Amino acid sequence: VTQSSRYLVKRTGEKVFLECVQDMDHENMFWYRQDPGMGLRLIHYSVGEGTTAKGEVPDGYNVSRSTTEDFPLRLLSAAPSQTSVYFCASKGTGNNSPLHFGNGTRLTVT
Amino acid sequence: TQLLEQSPQFLSIQEGENLTVYCNSSSVFSSLQWYRQEPGEGPVLLVTVVTGGEVKKLKRLTFQFGDARKDSSLHITAAQPGDTGLYLCAGYTGTASKLTFGTGTRLQVTL
Repeated sequence: VTQSSRYLVKRTGEKVFLECVQDMDHENMFWYRQDPGMGLRLIHYSVGEGTTAKGEVPDGYNVSRSTTEDFPLRLLSAAPSQTSVYFCASKGTGNNSPLHFGNGTRLTVT
Repeated sequence: TQLLEQSPQFLSIQEGENLTVYCNSSSVFSSLQWYRQEPGEGPVLLVTVVTGGEVKKLKRLTFQFGDARKDSSLHITAAQPGDTGLYLCAGYTGTASKLTFGTGTRLQVTL
C-alpha cells in the first residue's frame, strides 16, 4: 500500500488530496486517522470498486473508488481539527485477513 | 464511540521484565487481532484470535482471547528493546470487512 505524501502542511480552508494505491488486488480499502491516545479511527471504507461507506468519523472527508487500486481521500476545506496522521489500508477477502497499511501521511492544518 | 479500551496507555519497563496489556470491550467480537506499530510506519499484524478462550504464542508473546470474546490480553515475557512500539488490538464485529481499533498501548523497553 503506497501513500505518496509523508508530510503535508495546509492552511485552513484549503483542499487536500491524499493518494492511496495498492497492488495486491484487494477488494477492501480503508482510511483511518490516528491521534494520540485514540488509536486508529475509521473515516471511510470501500468493499469494492464503485463502493464507499462511512466509518466512525466521516464528516469533512470524501472518498471515491473508481478502480480497485486507487482509494484517494479528499478534504474539501481543511480545518485545524483535521491535523492528524492518516493511514490507508487494504484487506483481502476472508473474515480474518490482516490489514496492510501504508506508512501514513502526517497532515498539519494551520 | 470507542468500543475497545486498552490498558495501560503507557508502559515503560526495563529489559527482562514481564508485562501484560489488556484490551476490553462490552461488545462481542467475531475475531480479534493484535498489531504492532513502530514510529513512522503503519501497524503490522502480530496475530489473529478467533475462538473464545484461544491462546496463541508468538515467541515471547502470548495472546489470549476471552471466553466471551469481549476481551483479550497480550503478555510479553522477558521484554527486549526490540519490543518497543505501539500495540493495538482490533476487533471485527458484525461487518466482516470493518475493523475497530483499540486506544493503543505504547511500550518502551530500556536497557
